[in-house]
Amino acid sequence: GQNIDQPTEMTATEGAIVQINCTYQTSGFNGLFWYQQHAGEAPTFLSYNVLDGLEEKGRFSSFLSRSKGYSYLLLKELQMKDSASYLCALNDYKLSFGAGTTVTVRA
Amino acid sequence: DGGITQSPKYLFRKEGQNVTLSCEQNLNHDAMYWYRQDPGQGLRLIYYSQIVNDFQKGDIAEGYSVSREKKESFPLTVTSAQKNPTAFYLCASGGQVNTGELFFGEGSRLTVL
Repeated sequence: GQNIDQPTEMTATEGAIVQINCTYQTSGFNGLFWYQQHAGEAPTFLSYNVLDGLEEKGRFSSFLSRSKGYSYLLLKELQMKDSASYLCALNDYKLSFGAGTTVTVRA
Repeated sequence: DGGITQSPKYLFRKEGQNVTLSCEQNLNHDAMYWYRQDPGQGLRLIYYSQIVNDFQKGDIAEGYSVSREKKESFPLTVTSAQKNPTAFYLCASGGQVNTGELFFGEGSRLTVL
């Protein structure tokens, strides 16, 4: 089985940086995903980490430490459209999701 | 265009009725999944299938049933045994079970009256 923890809510100002942490415990590991979900919509893929280290994609970066069971998603230069829920998902032969972190970007 | 199609988008059901949600994909993906999402919560896995004619229970399979007779199709039946069926249901597919991202459909919102 697996246990995935992320903060429930975060608030930040437009133009700022926010870091969303995700910790997990699992008996098997094949990678960690981050998805973005706007209210009432389907999740969309942001990033995938299978090896330790930082993956950068434009304003979004994701970090993984397998030995610590830890990942974070870094959102830079926040925009109003980044207000959404961010889901950490563990790939251990099936994709299991955390409860999600709701990020609110204020002007 | 390639993608995943879920139908219906909105569905109302009376208590005691079974209802089937459709999920079709033309991405040639082997793996398909059904998730349930309740307000303010993450996604919980109901069932998944790695290959045609085979499927496995997820974390909350009770009160649900699925079939995988064709690679493209993975319908979910919400039975009367499901105590709290009102939720947002998401279908997803992926190339391999343990690699690669999942692609999601638009979702089906079920309300029990």
